[in-house]
Amino acid sequence: GAGVSQSPRYKVTKRGQDVALRCDPISGHVSLYWYRQALGQGPEFLTYFNYEAQQDKSGLPNDRFSAERPEGSISTLTIQRTEQRDSAMYRCASSHYTGLRSYEQYFGPGTRLTVT
Amino acid sequence: EDKVVQSPLSLVVHEGDTVTLNCSYEVTNFRSLLWYKQEKKAPTFLFMLTSSGIEKKSGRLSSILDKKELFSILNITATQTGDSAVYLCAVHSGAGSYQLTFGKGTKLSVIP
Repeated sequence: GAGVSQSPRYKVTKRGQDVALRCDPISGHVSLYWYRQALGQGPEFLTYFNYEAQQDKSGLPNDRFSAERPEGSISTLTIQRTEQRDSAMYRCASSHYTGLRSYEQYFGPGTRLTVT
Repeated sequence: EDKVVQSPLSLVVHEGDTVTLNCSYEVTNFRSLLWYKQEKKAPTFLFMLTSSGIEKKSGRLSSILDKKELFSILNITATQTGDSAVYLCAVHSGAGSYQLTFGKGTKLSVIP
């Protein structure tokens, strides 16, 4: 079956531009997570959704970052007025469960964002 | 602040060797510890551990959790070149949120 997909896989943008990163979770997965991963580091939590409701956005670094999942399926992570420090791999994960087994998260391939 | 520390950061072994990867944590309200294998693409889920002393096993991989000493180990026996990857440890803690706190990972290289 299809896994988590993300697009674009690579994005190069100029400082100050806005970017939108898309995540298409595994069909039927109710929970969706966004992470950011710097080189040589583990993923760092940004935000997550149960269905269309954003449950926790405590990991978003500042108000330039926002995420939505309006129909409880596809999610978009938007970064406004990008800065060079935003350059990283942005990963999406989904989970079938909202309870204990929600920790079994399945990751997408990521979007490599480079801000020049 | 929750903290997950993995060791060693990198490891090179020969095929057939057995390796042990370590993960220690300091978190409030521990819920579970997870291991992931990350190759070139996405991390793939290996194990979730919630109880001390109960070994989880999948083929040549096994893992165990010690909630008293706050650590977990991941064992790989009879390593193969396909085991080469970064192994990530993550911990879930706290109530009301399902975010994971990850360690930096252990990069394992298995040479023929």
